[in-house]
Amino acid sequence: SAVISQKPSRDICQRGTSLTIQCQVDSQVTMMFWYRQQPGQSLTLIATANQGSEATYESGFVIDKFPISRPNLTFSTLTVSNMSPEDSSIYLCSFRQGSDTQYFGPGTRLTVL
Amino acid sequence: TQLLEQSPQFLSIQEGENLTVYCNSSSVFSSLQWYRQEPGEGPVLLVTVVTGGEVKKLKRLTFQFGDARKDSSLHITAAQPGDTGLYLCAGGGLGETSGSRLTFGEGTQLTVNP
Repeated sequence: SAVISQKPSRDICQRGTSLTIQCQVDSQVTMMFWYRQQPGQSLTLIATANQGSEATYESGFVIDKFPISRPNLTFSTLTVSNMSPEDSSIYLCSFRQGSDTQYFGPGTRLTVL
Repeated sequence: TQLLEQSPQFLSIQEGENLTVYCNSSSVFSSLQWYRQEPGEGPVLLVTVVTGGEVKKLKRLTFQFGDARKDSSLHITAAQPGDTGLYLCAGGGLGETSGSRLTFGEGTQLTVNP
C-alpha cells in the first residue's frame, strides 16, 4: 500500500489562531478523508476530499471552520480555523485503496490553549 | 445512533490469556475492517473481510465475518503485551453499497499485562 505522512505531528496553539495540517501520499489516490479523534476514542469523519471538487462535510462540520484543499491526487490540507480549546484533538488523514479499504496517516496531535 | 457497537470497550488481561472482541450492527455491510492503533500513531489496518462467514487468520489473531454480514469478531490467542492497543472495527458499504464511507465502532482498548 502507499505511504501516507502528515505534518506537523503535533502542535500547541493559542486560542483564536489557525493551523493548517498537511497530508502527503506517495501515490495517486482518488478519495482522501479527514478525521478527528479524541485520545482513546473512535474516529469521527470531518469531510471527504476528492481532487477537483469541493470537500463534502459531515454533519456538525462546516467549511468556514475546517477549510480543506485538494490540489492534486497526492496531497491535501485541513485548516482548523479560529481555534478554541474544544478543538484539541488528534486529526488524521486517510485515503482509500480499492472499494472500501482505508489507510491512515500517523495523525496530528493538536492542543489549543 | 452508533451503527457499529463494539464490546467490550475496555479489556485488561494477563499475558497468555485469550480474548474476543465483538463488533455488532443491525445493518448489513459489504466489508468490514479491523484496525489496531497504538498511542501517537494512526490506525493500522489488520484485515478486511468481505464474504459472509469468512474467517481470516493473522498469526494469533482470528477474524470472522458473520454469515449475514452484520457482525464480526476478533479473537486473540495467548495475548502478549505487544497486542496492547485500541482495536477498531469499521464497516464499509453500508446497506450493501460498495465504495461509501466507513462506519467506525467505538473501539476496544486492550491492555495486556506481563
